[in-house]
Amino acid sequence: SQQGEEDPQALSIQEGENATMNCSYKTSINNLQWYRQNSGRGLVHLILIRSNEREKHSGRLRVTLDTSKKSSSLLITASRAADTASYFCATVPRGSQGNLIFGKGTKLSVKP
Amino acid sequence: GAVVSQHPSWVICKSGTSVKIECRSLDFQATTMFWYRQFPKQSLMLMATSNEGSKATYEQGVEKDKFLINHASLTLSTLTVTSAHPEDSSFYICSAGRTGETQYFGPGTRLLVL
Repeated sequence: SQQGEEDPQALSIQEGENATMNCSYKTSINNLQWYRQNSGRGLVHLILIRSNEREKHSGRLRVTLDTSKKSSSLLITASRAADTASYFCATVPRGSQGNLIFGKGTKLSVKP
Repeated sequence: GAVVSQHPSWVICKSGTSVKIECRSLDFQATTMFWYRQFPKQSLMLMATSNEGSKATYEQGVEKDKFLINHASLTLSTLTVTSAHPEDSSFYICSAGRTGETQYFGPGTRLLVL
């Protein structure tokens, strides 16, 4: 399977704390994206980082990419209860038509 | 911009019936659409790649005769689950975009087969 791995599978923190999720993948990529999914709902695109980028910020989100290790991390700072959701990384394999290979996801629970 | 819709959002059907799910790009033309499936508490798995005007490309393990995909125009792709069975119950999500560029996801269709 080309599916990536994410850890932790589940993460429970208090409001105000930072949450870090990691993702590993197997193939060469064009870019890596992070998505959020609330229970039973559609996907929300959070951030895209290209293979030639190492770090990217968007509001309270910080994403890093290490192509030599085929890994990425998503940091959510100053978490809020509304951040409670499942988070998925997804890669676009190099040479593909743009389809996404999703990781298994991290279920984040932020307690108020 | 870049809005993708899916219809229906919810469908319940009896075992043995066929169900059609539509994926539309509302404000752009999509040369490529992808269909994903998500079982409860699992991640999304790519089912097939749909290119306008040509046959869909299915991922390994996905039965093309069971999951019929038609991409007849640059704004519409349909997924038909034929002779649905309870094990086909899942969340089906499409994405649309131009080949090799950012994909935009629809809100998903939840299928329950009784």
